[in-house]
Amino acid sequence: GQQLNQSPQSMFIQEGEDVSMNCTSSSIFNTWLWYKQDPGEGPVLLIALYKAGELTSNGRLTAQFGITRKDSFLNISASIPSDVGIYFCAGPNTSGTYKYIFGTGTRLKVLA
Amino acid sequence: EAQVTQNPRYLITVTGKKLTVTCSQNMNHEYMSWYRQDPGLGLRQIYYSMNVEVTDKGDVPEGYKVSRKEKRNFPLILESPSPNQTSLYFCATGQSSYEQYFGPGTRLTVT
Repeated sequence: GQQLNQSPQSMFIQEGEDVSMNCTSSSIFNTWLWYKQDPGEGPVLLIALYKAGELTSNGRLTAQFGITRKDSFLNISASIPSDVGIYFCAGPNTSGTYKYIFGTGTRLKVLA
Repeated sequence: EAQVTQNPRYLITVTGKKLTVTCSQNMNHEYMSWYRQDPGLGLRQIYYSMNVEVTDKGDVPEGYKVSRKEKRNFPLILESPSPNQTSLYFCATGQSSYEQYFGPGTRLTVT
């Protein structure tokens, strides 16, 4: 089945630094979504992307839908301690069902 | 207030004792889904429902049942739980299969 691979798996950064992470698939996705999960809570939707090449921002977060439709990128600018958490890419698969697939996650730790 | 509620939030049970985890939403969403989250394996979809009386298997449906008799409720049933079903479970809803809104999670331990 379709899979989403995220990199890096985890990262430590200093407060104030910019962060980049990406999500790749071996097959095409028509929609890419980015979620953040805080410890002990359910994932929360950050950004949704619906069109190849689309660039969308939500505050300090910017995400892009790759032109090949096989990847997506999330950038966080000027990171702050509350950015700590796990970031997941996700999307409905494109094999004719309505299954929903999550990436492997990127764990972000911000050092104050 | 728009919300997805799950009950119970924590459950410790024994092998073979049937249990149900409830999920309810007040957003009139069509799509509802169950996921399990395990360390190193991320979130995996168990079952989903596109609408009342319409359910389908996700990637890890074995050992689980669901039903969608009303739009707002989507219970997850474990007829005979086993220790490998110890996990953190999330219910999620959405107007479609795109943007999902998650409940707070149910931590299940099967001994």
